[in-house]
Amino acid sequence: QSALTQPASVSGSPGQSITLSCTGTSSDLGVYNYVSWYQQHPGKAPKLMIFDVSNRPSGVSNRFSGSKSGNTASLTISGLQTEDEADYFCSSYSTTNTPWVFGGGTKLTVL
Amino acid sequence: QVQLQQSGPGLVKPSQTLSLTCAISGDSVSSNNAIWNWIRQSPSRGLEWLGATYYRSKWYNDYAVSVKSRITISPDTSKNQFSLQLNSVTPEDTAVYYCGRKPPGTFAFDIWGQGTVVTVSS
Repeated sequence: QSALTQPASVSGSPGQSITLSCTGTSSDLGVYNYVSWYQQHPGKAPKLMIFDVSNRPSGVSNRFSGSKSGNTASLTISGLQTEDEADYFCSSYSTTNTPWVFGGGTKLTVL
Repeated sequence: QVQLQQSGPGLVKPSQTLSLTCAISGDSVSSNNAIWNWIRQSPSRGLEWLGATYYRSKWYNDYAVSVKSRITISPDTSKNQFSLQLNSVTPEDTAVYYCGRKPPGTFAFDIWGQGTVVTVSS
């Protein structure tokens, strides 16, 4: 069972905006602004999309944005494209005895 | 540009030792700023951070409590790489294993290796 909670699946249509959620606790999302989001296509390694709540690495589309409120972080993808179809994982630094924790992932389907 | 290249066997027998290596190009395992990590992914456990090694005037290691008694992560400065050893493996250790870099100034993993599918089976 993953430390961070994500919905198992979300779907959207091309051009739409969708928001993925990630819920943690006062040991991780509630205390640190160190949430990151990863995109993973089948058979590939995760790719960093957002770090430290809302920062995009160089080369990541500005259609991807992140935010956080309390113990919940969100990833918003605007102008959905078919290539956005993938699994998305959140991660956070944590005060527990395991410094990095992950969510179970959300499968995004672009219909 | 930084790249990580993993190597190691894809099949390990129960009770034996899993050994993987992550070769670094474009950065240094001895960097005073980066942290070098091993992360695994399985359907039953999801993504799981296993441990890390890093250099801050001397070498440090951090390990996940779940594997602390069985894991060793070691740097090899002569080859600019780091390795993972996981002892006494069971079928529950079957997973895709990734190495990854935590760069300075952020709390995220910005570079990942290609992944190694490791199956524990006799």
